[in-house]
Amino acid sequence: GENVEQHPSTLSVQEGDSAVIKCTYSDSASNYFPWYKQELGKRPQLIIDIRSNVGEKKDQRIAVTLNKTAKHFSLHITETQPEDSAVYFCAALASGGSYIPTFGRGTSLIVHP
Amino acid sequence: DADVTQTPRNRITKTGKRIMLECSQTKGHDRMYWYRQDPGLGLRLIYYSFDVKDINKGEISDGYSVSRQAQAKFSLSLESAIPNQTALYFCATSDYRQGGETQYFGPGTRLLVL
Repeated sequence: GENVEQHPSTLSVQEGDSAVIKCTYSDSASNYFPWYKQELGKRPQLIIDIRSNVGEKKDQRIAVTLNKTAKHFSLHITETQPEDSAVYFCAALASGGSYIPTFGRGTSLIVHP
Repeated sequence: DADVTQTPRNRITKTGKRIMLECSQTKGHDRMYWYRQDPGLGLRLIYYSFDVKDINKGEISDGYSVSRQAQAKFSLSLESAIPNQTALYFCATSDYRQGGETQYFGPGTRLLVL
């Protein structure tokens, strides 16, 4: 089955700095890679995703990059703000297959004012 | 707004007790899931259902059972609760008509087994 590893487990940055979270996956059949944000006490919510036919996708201050050859993808947050503080989960799944996502263990991002 | 709801939101129980966590959704989605979240372990899939008559085991199904009573309802049961089942439980849905990939999570049920 799929195995997703996520690093780092904790990331502390100053407001305005950039943050990068990296994930690797094992199953070459995976072709859809979402990122979920979970604020303290809240439910996880999708913030951005990328498909295997695209190398990069941006949405304002967040971006995701994908390297299919190396089987890794990353979340980039620029100009971090305190409201970016949350736990971020990456996931991988084979769209058109089982549609069952495998999640990484999560990264706790802390943005200091 | 269409939503995913879970009851109860918090539950304290004793070892050996049978408990049920319930999930309802008004999104009209066909697929429903139960996850468990533990600190440092992320979200792990317990069971999932693609339709009313479809039940599938996930990564960590031992000690749990589920029932899909209707398209909108998916219940998780702990037959005989044990302390290491203390965790935050999330129900989620997805919609095959929209590709089935995005998970829409409920608010979570925090369970403590003493």
